[in-house]
Amino acid sequence: SQELEQSPQSLIVQEGKNLTINCTSSKTLYGLYWYKQKYGEGLIFLMMLQKGGEEKSHEKITAKLDEKKQQSSLHITASQPSHAGIYLCGADRGAGSYQLTFGKGTKLSVIP
Amino acid sequence: GAGVSQTPSNKVTEKGKYVELRCDPISGHTALYWYRQSLGQGPEFLIYFQGTGAADDSGLPNDRFFAVRPEGSVSTLKIQRTERGDSAVYLCASSSIPNTEAFFGQGTRLTVV
Repeated sequence: SQELEQSPQSLIVQEGKNLTINCTSSKTLYGLYWYKQKYGEGLIFLMMLQKGGEEKSHEKITAKLDEKKQQSSLHITASQPSHAGIYLCGADRGAGSYQLTFGKGTKLSVIP
Repeated sequence: GAGVSQTPSNKVTEKGKYVELRCDPISGHTALYWYRQSLGQGPEFLIYFQGTGAADDSGLPNDRFFAVRPEGSVSTLKIQRTERGDSAVYLCASSSIPNTEAFFGQGTRLTVV
């Protein structure tokens, strides 16, 4: 089965600093999804990447899927307290599968 | 509704009891998913519906778990003879097309005592 490893497990940054979260897969990624979760809430969709080398940005968040399609990174520029939460990467298995396999998440804290 | 709605938001039940968790997806979304999230873990897939039918139920842990979606809209996850290990947050998501952006509900926190 596909496994996703996220690093780091947790991260504390000063407001205004940049940061990167990584998601590494044991198998080829067909679709890679980034979600954000706050305690007691559901997951909020951030971005979806499908093609090797693809890069997407939304506000101050940029996600990339590497050429070999086994790793993705999420980069936040000039972090703000509103960015705090748990970031989860999820991958679909391809071959007609509709289920996502998620990593354990990266907990981000932003200190004002 | 505007988003995916799950009820109840919290449920405490005694070991051995039967529970039902409800999911009201975004109107018009044909794809519906159930996930289970334990503390400190990512969500784990349980079941996927396309319309009224369960297209993939490979994530259901055992035959105590069952889900229905009789009219292709609201779905109910049913757990029989609950065990303490069933305690988790049960998340529901829907999407207009499979393998695209899925919208998640707030989840139902189930505690089995």
